[in-house]
Amino acid sequence: DSGVTQTPKHLITATGQRVTLRCSPRSGDLSVYWYQQSLDQGLQFLIQYYNGEERAKGNILERFSAQQFPDLHSELNLSSLELGDSALYFCASSVGSGSADTQYFGPGTRLTVL
Amino acid sequence: AQKVTQAQTEISVVEKEDVTLDCVYETRDTTYYLFWYKQPPSGELVFLIRRNSFDEQNEISGRYSWNFQKSTSSFNFTITASQVVDSAVYFCALRGLGVSQGNLIFGKGTKLSVKP
Repeated sequence: DSGVTQTPKHLITATGQRVTLRCSPRSGDLSVYWYQQSLDQGLQFLIQYYNGEERAKGNILERFSAQQFPDLHSELNLSSLELGDSALYFCASSVGSGSADTQYFGPGTRLTVL
Repeated sequence: AQKVTQAQTEISVVEKEDVTLDCVYETRDTTYYLFWYKQPPSGELVFLIRRNSFDEQNEISGRYSWNFQKSTSSFNFTITASQVVDSAVYFCALRGLGVSQGNLIFGKGTKLSVKP
């Protein structure tokens, strides 16, 4: 158990809908990262927050947004969902925001868009 | 551009065999970090090791060992006396310095099947 929690574990929804994925980092970690894992694209970095502020952005679609709250938990919002958004979404956390910091991953949320 | 290549898509071994998973990386950064993660069938990503670019010493942890060779840009992972519980997908990842520090670049993964 990494100490990173994600809810829900599974999510099934329809095209055009909006969903929110939630992540709680390990105790003491200030950085939260979101990754998407799909069969065709593999594991791709989406976005990073550090202590409430956006720190780095990857291949995140405009239909997706995220935020980190004062209690350091984070939410990833996915809107106007398409079939291709079906994937495993991981949250990770680390103590700091630097390259040396090890990222510990949560169990993931499996999103299925029908 | 940064890139991680895991050329072995799938490997199948019989229990107690040794197996090496290859990882080759590309980066222009002089300081960078390399990682291995394990993804068992249950789906979570489990951290195994972190190595920085200035430390080329090999590392051993139980049945696991890692060989980092900067000259060939490789960071290979060996499991000695494999067990069925080692069956998983293993990912090698790279993280350099720069604007997108959050960006862990993952390889495509190697699926290891250990048969009894």
